[in-house]
Amino acid sequence: DTGVSQNPRHKITKRGQNVTFRCDPISEHNRLYWYRQTLGQGPEFLTYFQNEAQLEKSRLLSDRFSAERPKGSFSTLEIQRTEQGDSAMYLCASSLGAGNEQFFGPGTRLTVL
Amino acid sequence: AQKITQTQPGMFVQEKEAVTLDCTYDTSDQSYGLFWYKQPSSGEMIFLIYQGSYDEQNATEGRYSLNFQKARKSANLVISASQLGDSAMYFCAMREAFMNYGGSQGNLIFGKGTKLSVKP
Repeated sequence: DTGVSQNPRHKITKRGQNVTFRCDPISEHNRLYWYRQTLGQGPEFLTYFQNEAQLEKSRLLSDRFSAERPKGSFSTLEIQRTEQGDSAMYLCASSLGAGNEQFFGPGTRLTVL
Repeated sequence: AQKITQTQPGMFVQEKEAVTLDCTYDTSDQSYGLFWYKQPSSGEMIFLIYQGSYDEQNATEGRYSLNFQKARKSANLVISASQLGDSAMYFCAMREAFMNYGGSQGNLIFGKGTKLSVKP
């Protein structure tokens, strides 16, 4: 399978714990995006990378969130001191350049108890 | 601010019939892109069709076509010959300003979606 993959698919955690998600984009794609989707809403942009550089962060990305893309390959999204409001689907997408369609992974569904 | 509006929370269509899902957008940019994605209950976003703001012809991809009316700022998705497998959430999205020097963010702004149910 050469699509975008995300792990884990589901994560249940207790409030205050740290969680980390991983995204593996399509191999030749230089752009990688993170979105968050809450129930009944469309995805909302969090941050994006061009190769290994994180070029933009949304105001939705509080200082408890951090994302990395070492070596311009896979990316990780970490949430520290999780809150119940962090419960959502976290979607990763990749594209070849800014102007092309984005291909999404299956998402990681986070539930914070 | 750029915005996508999908006014139909839910739609029903009979199998084999055509259905139109509405999307209007708001932007002051001259160059932008419009996308439609399908999200089945499994959660994955599946790219369906793309329309660039400078494209003169409406985009088509198999049973999907995009009715692009630039002056009205609408980009409706038309699905012909609906199938049971078309039942899903459908999201309209716009790519933020794509600047020629390559500095664009490229991230997508999504509407709230329309839930399509195809009846046998």
